[in-house]
Amino acid sequence: KAGVTQTPRYLIKTRGQQVTLSCSPISGHRSVSWYQQTPGQGLQFLFEYFSETQRNKGNFPGRFSGRQFSNSRSEMNVSTLELGDSALYLCASSLALGADTQYFGPGTRLTVL
Amino acid sequence: AQKITQTQPGMFVQEKEAVTLDCTYDTSDQSYGLFWYKQPSSGEMIFLIYQGSYDEQNATEGRYSLNFQKARKSANLVISASQLGDSAMYFCAMREYAGGTSYGKLTFGQGTILTVHP
Repeated sequence: KAGVTQTPRYLIKTRGQQVTLSCSPISGHRSVSWYQQTPGQGLQFLFEYFSETQRNKGNFPGRFSGRQFSNSRSEMNVSTLELGDSALYLCASSLALGADTQYFGPGTRLTVL
Repeated sequence: AQKITQTQPGMFVQEKEAVTLDCTYDTSDQSYGLFWYKQPSSGEMIFLIYQGSYDEQNATEGRYSLNFQKARKSANLVISASQLGDSAMYFCAMREYAGGTSYGKLTFGQGTILTVHP
């Protein structure tokens, strides 16, 4: 069974631009969560999607948004990029909302110049 | 208030020996889950082991075991017979179930870098 896939794996953008990251969950998994990892703040929860609806959101500004499609694939978007948005963005999938274990993808490393 | 505390920024262990990585947590919920993940330099978070707050037995998965002491709010990871491939960052995480709104949100500790020496 294929794991969680994230594209692209690496991305370089400049301040003010916007970016879209993609996540395909494990087959059969319907819940997708996103996390931001930085050296200073560690791992922080961004949001969780289930059945195409955002179910939970972390403390991030409105520039961070996401969506989920009917096939459970998810995208997150960051608009008006800032230098501080440089991070590893990790996507995790689980069978259902509230399921015990989340399985992570390899991440997308975003660098904002 | 920090909910997950990993007090060891770095740990060293000799190959084939056992090592314990510490994790303490803080929650007022009765129902919660504790997780350990491994993150190699490649960046991917690899699930290792899970312990539910109502589980009476300590969780074990191969060479990994979780030393769960509920009264002390600790959930230490024990890796037996360390291997060179165990060198990585290890994260302790918690999910609180009560309240209905936390769902899948995981709260992570700051991590411990484990280095296995040959």
